[in-house]
Amino acid sequence: SAVISQKPSRDICQRGTSLTIQCQVDSQVTMMFWYRQQPGQSLTLIATANQGSEATYESGFVIDKFPISRPNLTFSTLTVSNMSPEDSSIYLCSAEAWRGNYGYTFGSGTRLTVV
Amino acid sequence: QKEVEQNSGPLSVPEGAIASLNCTYSDRVSQSFFWYRQYSGKSPELIMSIYSNGDKEDGRFTAQLNKASQYVSLLIRDSQPSDSATYLCAVSSPNSSASKIIFGSGTRLSIRP
Repeated sequence: SAVISQKPSRDICQRGTSLTIQCQVDSQVTMMFWYRQQPGQSLTLIATANQGSEATYESGFVIDKFPISRPNLTFSTLTVSNMSPEDSSIYLCSAEAWRGNYGYTFGSGTRLTVV
Repeated sequence: QKEVEQNSGPLSVPEGAIASLNCTYSDRVSQSFFWYRQYSGKSPELIMSIYSNGDKEDGRFTAQLNKASQYVSLLIRDSQPSDSATYLCAVSSPNSSASKIIFGSGTRLSIRP
């Protein structure tokens, strides 16, 4: 079963700067997913990252704002660029996993506050 | 119309009773269905997945799927205070490049002692 290490766990950033979030999976996975979770809300899919190809972004999310790298089958990064207070949220990465049930497992999340 | 809909709750259930959580989805070609539990401040944790019509049981949890009605539910038997959390329904809908998981808004469940 896949275990995902995500970092940083939290950060406070100045508006206009960028933050890169990293996710390391302990096994090779084909697809990784990046989500955003606003306080008290559910998860919104930002993009799907396949190794060797460009990420596929959901409606409302663009590559210039949320560039994603997927250099190999165990690692991915999400950058939140030119941040504004509206970007304050929890960011989560996810990958396929088998833990008794087939499903998708999540990293521990990055709580981002933009001031 | 939202792709995955859940009643936001809160749903309050006495300890020891059955908690019933419901979810509907809009995409008829959806193939895989998941229930996640999320404690406050934590990331979602997979409880069950289901792919075929009918019931699937795992310990105190039973997932039910009805593709004709586009409906999936989760029953929690012998509810415990530790079951108090937000339960997220998720649906996998294949598109041209990859399957993606879409989440409902979640139902807050509170088990009262």
